[in-house]
Amino acid sequence: AQTVTQSQPEMSVQEAETVTLSCTYDTSESDYYLFWYKQPPSRQMILVIRQEAYKQQNATENRFSVNFQKAAKSFSLKISDSQLGDAAMYFCAYLNRDDKIIFGKGTRLHILP
Amino acid sequence: EAGVTQSPTHLIKTRGQQVTLRCSPISGHTSVYWYQQALGLGLQFLLWYDEGEERNRGNFPPRFSGRQFPNYSSELNVNALELEDSALYLCASSRGTGRAEAFFGQGTRLTVV
Repeated sequence: AQTVTQSQPEMSVQEAETVTLSCTYDTSESDYYLFWYKQPPSRQMILVIRQEAYKQQNATENRFSVNFQKAAKSFSLKISDSQLGDAAMYFCAYLNRDDKIIFGKGTRLHILP
Repeated sequence: EAGVTQSPTHLIKTRGQQVTLRCSPISGHTSVYWYQQALGLGLQFLLWYDEGEERNRGNFPPRFSGRQFPNYSSELNVNALELEDSALYLCASSRGTGRAEAFFGQGTRLTVV
């Protein structure tokens, strides 16, 4: 069975600085998708970024980018120019061949003004 | 376009009671996922419905059940409620099989006393 591990329960970053959230996963599949979701205090889960495993190029969405290392089974999220609105719980997620999304336990990100 | 809607937003039940949670997916989405987010445990996969059929279920007891209707909306039923069932229940929808990302509702906060 696939597992997703987020080893940082909480992180803090100064506003305008850059922060990287870690995620590792375990799978025997070769074709899969990875996601980062954001859950602000409003509870609404929002998709931040997605990465197809067959693509070598790292996904980027504005200030959000990933470092996808397939061999190492690592999928970290980098947030550049951190803003107060980035404060949230961030979940790393894996979509397996059965189309089931498996989530990590999350990293709570605090933005310090 | 309306997003995923869940009802009710909050619910308080006593131990032993039964509860029904409801989810309406985004128009055009045929898959509905249910997740339990208990404090400190991250997101746990409960159930996945697609085209009216249960496709997969997580490691939860049979008192957790659900169904999907012809209009693709879904219900999650929990019988014989226990204190540890207190959690945020999130529903997500996607376009169905085809490796699409899921979009989440705001969840139902269930408190069992």
